[in-house]
Parts: sequence; structure tokens; C-alpha cells
Amino acid sequence: GESVGLHLPTLSVQEGDNSIINCAYSNSASDYFIWYKQESGKGPQFIIDIRSNMDKRQGQRVTVLLNKTVKHLSLQIAATQPGDSAVYFCAETAGNQFYFGTGTSLTVIP
Amino acid sequence: DAGITQSPRHKVTETGTPVTLRCHQTENHRYMYWYRQDPGHGLRLIHYSYGVKDTDKGEVSDGYSVSRSKTEDFLLTLESATSSQTSVYFCAISDRRNSNQPQHFGDGTRLSIL
Repeated sequence: GESVGLHLPTLSVQEGDNSIINCAYSNSASDYFIWYKQESGKGPQFIIDIRSNMDKRQGQRVTVLLNKTVKHLSLQIAATQPGDSAVYFCAETAGNQFYFGTGTSLTVIP
Repeated sequence: DAGITQSPRHKVTETGTPVTLRCHQTENHRYMYWYRQDPGHGLRLIHYSYGVKDTDKGEVSDGYSVSRSKTEDFLLTLESATSSQTSVYFCAISDRRNSNQPQHFGDGTRLSIL
């Protein structure tokens, strides 16, 4: 089966600093990746995605980097705000089925 | 937010009873999914549907059945609930007609089996 995991289960950052959340994946055939944000008591919310033919994609305050050589994905959040506190997890797919990581809990310290 | 409504949002029931969870979408998306989320695990796929009356099993389908009689509704049934099925259940939808697309999730049903 697939193996999607995160390097760190928790991350604390000061408000205004940048955050980096990492994700490792094992299937070299995966061709599409997504980052989700999940707040307490809510469903996962789509943040940003990237296809395997790209190395980097930017959104509003977020950037996703994909390193296919080492099968690594990262999410960078610029100028982290208290509202960014949540669990973040990555997902990958090589076909119809998505595989989800267990998540990193981000805490923003005011 | 994607138009996905899950009901009920919370349910407590006893072992051996049947339970049905409902997912309703207003996006007219073809694909619908049921996942469970448990501590220490990523979201795990229970069943999915790729059209009306078209369903298939996911990795943790034992003890669950699904039905999709209309595009907008996807039901998950636990025929005889067990304590191991205590979990948070999420419905997701996607529209993958042309390329990879993200799945969008409802806010979940927290189910406790006593």
C-alpha cells in the first residue's frame, strides 16, 4: 500500500514567522499532490495542489514544493497568523484513490 | 465552501444497531467518497461511488455498505455497528472529468458506538 507521512507531528511558530510543513511519500508513480488544512471539529479544507510535472506552486501566502527525486513535499506558509493554527496533511494519488498522511499540528504563538 | 452536507453531525448508538449516515451534495459532482478518520491514521477510504448505482470498495470496507440512488446523495450504512466503528466519518466529492482534481470534504459525522 501507499505510505504518506509527515516528518514532524507538531510544529509551533511565532506569529509573523514563516512555517514549513513536510511530507514524505513512497509511491514514485504518484502524479498529483494536495495539501489540506483541518481545523478542530471541521472537515479537511483544500489549500493548494501540485502536479508531478511541476516543482513549485504558489498561492496566497502558501507555497508547495515538490522534490520527486527524494519523494518529498513541503508546504510553506508565509507570515503565519493565529488563524493558521490547525492540522495540515498531504495527500497523493496515482490514480483514482487518494492516500492521506496523518498530519502535522501547527500552533501559532501570539 | 463546497456544498456538502453530512447528517447527522453526531450520533451515539449501541453495538449491534444499524446506522445510516447521509451525505448530500449540491455540486453535481460525479465522484463521492466515504472516509473514516482515526487517531494515528490518515483518512482511510471505506467506499466510493463513480456514478448513480456505481460503487466500489475502499481499503476498510468490511462492515460497511453504501448506496447511491441519486447524484446528490451517498449513504453509508453500518448494518450492525461495532465499537471498532467508533470514528469520525467524512464524505468527500470530486469532479475528475478532465484531470486530477482535489476532493472536497464535508464537516464530518462523529459516531460513537457504545
